Amino acid sequence: SQTIHQWPATLVQPVGSPLSLECTVEGTSNPNLYWYRQAAGRGLQLLFYSIGIDQISSEVPQNLSASRPQDRQFILSSKKLLLSDSGFYLCAWSVVRVPDTQYFGPGTRLTVL
Amino acid sequence: AQTVTQSQPEMSVQEAETVTLSCTYDTSESDYYLFWYKQPPSRQMILVIRQEAYKQQNATENRFSVNFQKAAKSFSLKISDSQLGDAAMYFCAYAPNTGNQFYFGTGTSLTVIP
Repeated sequence: SQTIHQWPATLVQPVGSPLSLECTVEGTSNPNLYWYRQAAGRGLQLLFYSIGIDQISSEVPQNLSASRPQDRQFILSSKKLLLSDSGFYLCAWSVVRVPDTQYFGPGTRLTVL
Repeated sequence: AQTVTQSQPEMSVQEAETVTLSCTYDTSESDYYLFWYKQPPSRQMILVIRQEAYKQQNATENRFSVNFQKAAKSFSLKISDSQLGDAAMYFCAYAPNTGNQFYFGTGTSLTVIP
């Protein structure tokens, strides 16, 4: 069966510090991968999605970036965090080419102080 | 533009009663998928039910069922025999078969009253 992991679960960082959030998927090959951000009490904002290694699309211009160093690993990064980067970050995967269902990881709660 | 609208920010239901959450979407696609996700206080997104647009029969999963009206672009979720564990934020989502993106509504917060 497929599982998706996110690390860390909780993170508190000062403004201007770097960020690296990790997402890994097990039990499937060549998945579509997604990063979402959810502000408190709000809906999901798609940040990045990837249909393969070196194929990453950005949906919202900001100080975040994403990379996919391995087929089942998706990294969300920032060189300098802003207060507005605080939120709940969710990683998700779906079957490539026919994305009939999206499966989510447990999420990372990021607080920028 | 492909959008998903949930017009009810908050809903409440008495335990054991039935509640219906509304969702409408806008698309020019003919082949797509629709979903309802549940986000409990743990914030883990859990798939509740999915509907394939080419299927006329409404999907059901135990106490959860949908009313899919393709012409009206409406996709409501009915929860029967509501339980305390059903209290959560519910998100409606749409995914066209031709792309890789999913579009989410803004969510409906469901409270279950004992």
